[in-house]
Amino acid sequence: GQQLNQSPQSMFIQEGEDVSMNCTSSSIFNTWLWYKQDPGEGPVLLIALYKAGELTSNGRLTAQFGTTRKDSFLNISASIPSDVGIYFCAPSPDGGYGGSQGNLIFGKGTKLSVKP
Amino acid sequence: EADIYQTPRYLVIGTGKKITLECSQTMGHDKMYWYQQDPGMELHLIHYSYGVNSTEKGDLSSESTVSRIRTEHFPLTLESARPSHTSQYLCASMGLAKTQYFGPGTRLLVL
Repeated sequence: GQQLNQSPQSMFIQEGEDVSMNCTSSSIFNTWLWYKQDPGEGPVLLIALYKAGELTSNGRLTAQFGTTRKDSFLNISASIPSDVGIYFCAPSPDGGYGGSQGNLIFGKGTKLSVKP
Repeated sequence: EADIYQTPRYLVIGTGKKITLECSQTMGHDKMYWYQQDPGMELHLIHYSYGVNSTEKGDLSSESTVSRIRTEHFPLTLESARPSHTSQYLCASMGLAKTQYFGPGTRLLVL
């Protein structure tokens, strides 16, 4: 099956620091999604990427779709306590619109803890 | 953006009981999903549906069953709950552009 590696598994950072996490795979994907999950809640979509090389921002979050289509990066600038949670990458072999019936594949998550 | 609801949010039951976890969405999405997730761990796809009367098993084997009689409703049933079923169950539906929207989850504890 498709292997998806998300790193780091966890990180502790000081408030105000920038954060970087990434997902890599041996397979090619046509969609990369990034989710955040707060404790006891369902994941919430942060950013969606549909094109190799695409760089998209959502407030303090920036994500990039790798040019090889096998990886993606998520950066958080100037972290704050409410950034605490688990971040998941979720690629799909299908493009954004149309395509076959491929499902999302979820990474193991990056657990972010912020020291106030 | 999808509105997707799950009930109950929390459930504590005894071994051997039959339970149904409810999931409903109001956006008319054809594709719906059930995931099982242990606390702080990855999501495992256990069931999905691409429309009414369509259900498929996911990547993780599960003793649960699902039905899809109406577009907006995708309930999950455990005929005889066991302690090994203790977990969080997340329902999702897929809108345009492959974006899945998740419900708040049901946390199940089987004693």
